[in-house]
Formats: sequence, C-alpha cells, structure tokens
Amino acid sequence: EPEVTQTPSHQVTQMGQEVILRCVPISNHLYFYWYRQILGQKVEFLVSFYNNEISEKSEIFDDQFSVERPDGSNFTLKIRSTKLEDSAMYFCASSADLVGGYTFGSGTRLTVV
Amino acid sequence: RKEVEQDPGPFNVPEGATVAFNCTYSNSASQSFFWYRQDCRKEPKLLMSVYSSGNEDGRFTAQLNRASQYISLLIRDSKLSDSATYLCVVNSGRRALTFGSGTRLQVQP
Repeated sequence: EPEVTQTPSHQVTQMGQEVILRCVPISNHLYFYWYRQILGQKVEFLVSFYNNEISEKSEIFDDQFSVERPDGSNFTLKIRSTKLEDSAMYFCASSADLVGGYTFGSGTRLTVV
Repeated sequence: RKEVEQDPGPFNVPEGATVAFNCTYSNSASQSFFWYRQDCRKEPKLLMSVYSSGNEDGRFTAQLNRASQYISLLIRDSKLSDSATYLCVVNSGRRALTFGSGTRLQVQP
C-alpha cells in the first residue's frame, strides 16, 4: 500500500535553531498538508499546498514557518527559529483530490529544549 | 462553538460490546466526513468515510445527519484491538480537514 514517508522520526533542537522536517508524499497525489499535534491535544491544521503554492494556512502558520517542494518528490516544513511551544508531533499528509480522506505519514516528534 | 465536537470519553467497554460515538460539526456547508483512528503516539489512519445514506464496513457503521449536523460511528462486537482514539473529521470546504479532539475507547477483556 502506498505510504507517506517522514524523516526524521524524532528531532531534538535548541530553542532559536532552525529545523527542517521532510516528507515524501504518495507519488500520484496532488495535495499536500502539514498538521501538528501537541501532546494530549487535537490534530491541528498548519498548511495546505497545491500546484507549488500554499492553498491555505492557519493562524498557527506564522512567518516562522515555510514550506517547499524543492524537487517534485520531497515536501518540507521549515521552522526558522524554534520556540519551546513548537514541541509537538508534526504530521505530513497527502491526498489525490479535495473530497477524499488524507493519508498521513508516521510523523516527526520535535522536541525544543 | 467548536468546528467539530466530540465526547472525549474514555469509553470503557467489555469485549463483545457494541459502542457508539457521536460528533457534531458547526459548518453547515461541510462536504465530506470521515472517521479516523489514532493509536497512542501514532498517525491518524482513515477508518471510513461517512455518507448521507449511511455506510457499513464489517463491524463498523457510520451515519450522517446533515439536518442535525451530526455524525455517528457504531462498533459492534468490540475487540481488544479496537482500543484507540476515534477522530471525527470534517472537510468544511476550506481545503483542509478539521479534526475533532477524539473519543478514547478502551476495550477490556
């Protein structure tokens, strides 16, 4: 079964450092997403991406965040200057269309110390 | 009002029991509805889509009531392996799925 792959599975970083989280969506999917889940809380939408541009972003996705699809297969989330409150599980997802469900990757656990 | 609202539980049920979860959503323009399952510290996994006519997949039955903006999931003959958090998920046309906080199910031997 096709899957969404995320690396690394766990990243520890110091406050103020930049981190890049990487994702390889399912190859024939056209829509890509990042979500996050703070421990014990709900899954929250960050950003959606289609046709090489951001379709929509939430209020969480401020100027510290950026996304990129640099080479047609990878989809990355960059956090420029991490804060303690950025500690969370970050999930990448992809979908073939706008009406079906999404397939999620296994996530990157980001710990900011 | 929250966009997607669920009873957090936990629901503690014995093996073999039937259990039902409910969910309400606030945006009447919502178009697609899903139930996802999430195991502890894992990614959400699509359990089933929810259609207006109701749909069934083995022991799982999902119902949608658009007039009441209400979605349900029924699990029959619960197994230990059904223990997880069940997420009600709605596509409100904002081009991204909105997740409820989840209902935790614990099936006991």
